[in-house]
Amino acid sequence: DAGVIQSPRHEVTEMGQEVTLRCKPISGHNSLFWYRQTMMRGLELLIYFNNNVPIDDSGMPEDRFSAKMPNASFSTLKIQPSEPRDSAVYFCASTLNESPLHFGNGTRLTVT
Amino acid sequence: AQSVSQHNHHVILSEAASLELGCNYSYGGTVNLFWYVQYPGQHLQLLLKYFSGDPLVKGIKGFEAEFIKSKFSFNLRKPSVQWSDTAEYFCAPRGTNTDKLIFGTGTRLQVFP
Repeated sequence: DAGVIQSPRHEVTEMGQEVTLRCKPISGHNSLFWYRQTMMRGLELLIYFNNNVPIDDSGMPEDRFSAKMPNASFSTLKIQPSEPRDSAVYFCASTLNESPLHFGNGTRLTVT
Repeated sequence: AQSVSQHNHHVILSEAASLELGCNYSYGGTVNLFWYVQYPGQHLQLLLKYFSGDPLVKGIKGFEAEFIKSKFSFNLRKPSVQWSDTAEYFCAPRGTNTDKLIFGTGTRLQVFP
C-alpha cells in the first residue's frame, strides 16, 4: 500500500497567486481530511469528506480556501488568492470508518 | 462540541527518565482516543488508540496510555525515554458517531543523551 500521497511536497509562490494542493487517499478509505499545521496554531482541521461529500468545512479559514473531492481517489485544496499568512504545512489524511487516520507527508507551502 | 487540552507544551528530559504527558478532553458522548507522534520533519503516525475494554492501552515503542473516564483524561506514559523519542506528541479524541478528529496543541518532547 502506497499510503496517502500528497503533491507537491513543497510549494513556493508569490502573494496573490493560486495554489492547488493534491491528495490521493489510501484505496478503499471512505473519509478524507485536510489539516493545516503552523507553529502558532498547531494542527487545525480545515475540512473533511465522507464518501466524497463534504461533511464539515467549519475550519476553512476564508472564502479564499476551497476543497473538492470529485471521486474516491482524489481531492484538491485550493487557495485563491494566496497570502503570506497561508504559509504552513498542509496534511491530508484518510481513514475507513472508525479506523485511525493515516497521514500523507504533507505539502510545505510558502507564500512570499 | 469536542475539545482537547494538552497541559505540557514543551518537555525536556534526559534519557532513561520517565515520561507522562497530560491530555484532557471534553465531549458529550462516547469517545475513541488516540495519541499520534510526529518526528522532526515527518508526518503524524499513530502511537496508540483506545476504543473500548481495558483502559490501559499499550502502543508502539514502549508507550502506554490510561483512559480515566471520570477525569476525562488519557495521559501518555513511558517508563524510560530514549533520545529517539524526541518528537511532538498529539492527543486526539473522536466521538464514536463521527469521523471528525480534533488534535490538541501538541507537546514537544526533547530527550537529551
